[in-house]
Order: sequence, then C-alpha cells, then structure tokens
Amino acid sequence: QKEVEQNSGPLSVPEGAIASLNCTYSDRGSQSFFWYRQYSGKSPELIMFIYSNGDKEDGRFTAQLNKASQYVSLLIRDSQPSDSATYLCAVKGGGSYIPTFGRGTSLIVHP
Amino acid sequence: DVKVTQSSRYLVKRTGEKVFLECVQDMDHENMFWYRQDPGLGLRLIYFSYDVKMKEKGDIPEGYSVSREKKERFSLILESASTNQTSMYLCASRTGTSRTDTQYFGPGTRLTVL
Repeated sequence: QKEVEQNSGPLSVPEGAIASLNCTYSDRGSQSFFWYRQYSGKSPELIMFIYSNGDKEDGRFTAQLNKASQYVSLLIRDSQPSDSATYLCAVKGGGSYIPTFGRGTSLIVHP
Repeated sequence: DVKVTQSSRYLVKRTGEKVFLECVQDMDHENMFWYRQDPGLGLRLIYFSYDVKMKEKGDIPEGYSVSREKKERFSLILESASTNQTSMYLCASRTGTSRTDTQYFGPGTRLTVL
C-alpha cells in the first residue's frame, strides 16, 4: 500500500514568514512529486511539481525533494493571508496513471 | 490553459435516484479520473479511464459506475443514490504517465443526497 503522509495542521504562521510544509512517502519507486493548493470549497490547483533531488523554485514557492529520505517539502516565502489554504502532496511512480495523495496540511497565515 | 469542466457545481438529489455527473476536458488528455473528497478522508479515487471505453476501478468503486464514450468526456453514474454518497466529487484529467505529466482538476460538484 503506497502511503503519503502529511501533518494535518493547522500550521499557523505570521504574515511575511516562511511556511514549511512537509510530506513523506513510502514507495521508493516514486518518481514525480506534486504540490496542490486547495482553498476551502474549491478544487485543488497545481502549484508545482518536482522529480529531481534538490530544490526547485517558482516565485515565492520552493519545492525540495530528498529521495534518499523519502520526503518532499514546500516552502512558501513571504507568506500572505491569501496563502491560507490546504496544501496537498501527491506522489506518482514511473509508468503509473495514478498519483497517491496525502490528506493535506492546513496553512493559516495571520496578519 | 487546460480546462476541465463539470456539469454542476451543486446538486441535490433524493435517495434512490440515478445521478449523472459529467466531466469534459478540452486538452485531448488520455487519462481521466473521478475522486470524492470528504473531511478527514482526503481524496479517494473512485474510477479512472486511460482511454476511450477503458476504465479501471479505483479505491472505492462500490455504488458507482462510469462511462467514457468520447475522449473528452468522462461520466460518473450513481445507480441508486444514498445519503453516504453526499460528498464533493472532483474530476481530473492528465495527458499520460510520464513523470512530467500533471493532473488538472475540475471545479468540483458538491452533491447532497437527501
């Protein structure tokens, strides 16, 4: 059974701080890793994906992947109240149609 | 931009009714998915389709069926709706299985079964 674990939170950070969201996965054959943002009552929206070890930056977002330790993280710099949402981690193995989703971490950015 | 649309944002049905949820994508994606999402349980895969007329059961297929007669359209059918099928239903599509292929979600249908 492939598992993707996330702390449900809520993670509360002040505006302007760095929010760090973590995700661990059980399948060592996993090759693709995705972060989605989901506002309350809305559908998940893709933020970024990563498939190589190391960091990948996109604006205020940085995804970090460590395959040896089987974790992937998302850093949000200069957090804004509009970043308040649930963040879903998804992991996919090579050649697989189906990603495995974590249950998400709730982030609250307070002014 | 990829666009995935769902036929209704909100739907209220009675127990025992047959319910159709429609999903359409405009990017010629091969793979399409139906999920339900419930508080505390996360996203659960109901069915997916990797090609026209092809379908595979996901984690929770009981009480549901699907139809994919055209590449762009994937329908979820609740044969006889029950109150425990009250949920948010999310459709998604994706090009293929390469590691850079990403999954895009529709806006969701919030179904209430009374």
